[in-house]
Amino acid sequence: EDQVTQSPEALRLQEGESSSLNCSYTVSGLRGLFWYRQDPGKGPEFLFTLYSAGEEKEKERLKATLTKKESFLHITAPKPEDSATYLCAVRTYNDYKLSFGAGTTVTVRA
Amino acid sequence: DSGVTQTPKHLITATGQRVTLRCSPRSGDLSVYWYQQSLDQGLQFLIQYYNGEERAKGNILERFSAQQFPDLHSELNLSSLELGDSALYFCASSDRVDRGVTDTQYFGPGTRLTVL
Repeated sequence: EDQVTQSPEALRLQEGESSSLNCSYTVSGLRGLFWYRQDPGKGPEFLFTLYSAGEEKEKERLKATLTKKESFLHITAPKPEDSATYLCAVRTYNDYKLSFGAGTTVTVRA
Repeated sequence: DSGVTQTPKHLITATGQRVTLRCSPRSGDLSVYWYQQSLDQGLQFLIQYYNGEERAKGNILERFSAQQFPDLHSELNLSSLELGDSALYFCASSDRVDRGVTDTQYFGPGTRLTVL
């Protein structure tokens, strides 16, 4: 069964303090790894799709990277508006669904 | 705004009742997925429809059913509701008719179901 584990569960940062979130996965035949941002009570908002080891994607203060076993979401010089839960999900070649990790809740203090 | 719409936003009902959640996918998307998010289980896949046909099934309870209509909107029916069914229900869509199969799923704002 596909397993997606995110760490840490929660992260408290000072504004401007860069950090990284981890997503480790155990799947058979990774088709794609996805990062979403979710605000309380809202739907997940798509951030990135990564397909192969070594791939990197950037958007504003966020940068996602992928290896054969894990993905990192780097937050550079975060601002309070970056506070949210960040979700990692995988899709395999054998399936259509996304399997999600439990998420990392990031709080950025001004 | 992802372009996926869901109604209603909130639903409060009693145990044993039946409810219907509605989802309209992004314009041109053929696939609709339903997910349940509860505090203890996280986001869990329920079921997928592609162009009106059921394509994949997750751990969906027998009390739950779904369908996708010719205009591609989808409905999730939950019956004999129990307290444990209280959760956020999300719809997502993908696979634009003019781009073929794509991987990224775009999520709607969700329906919060409270069973009392």
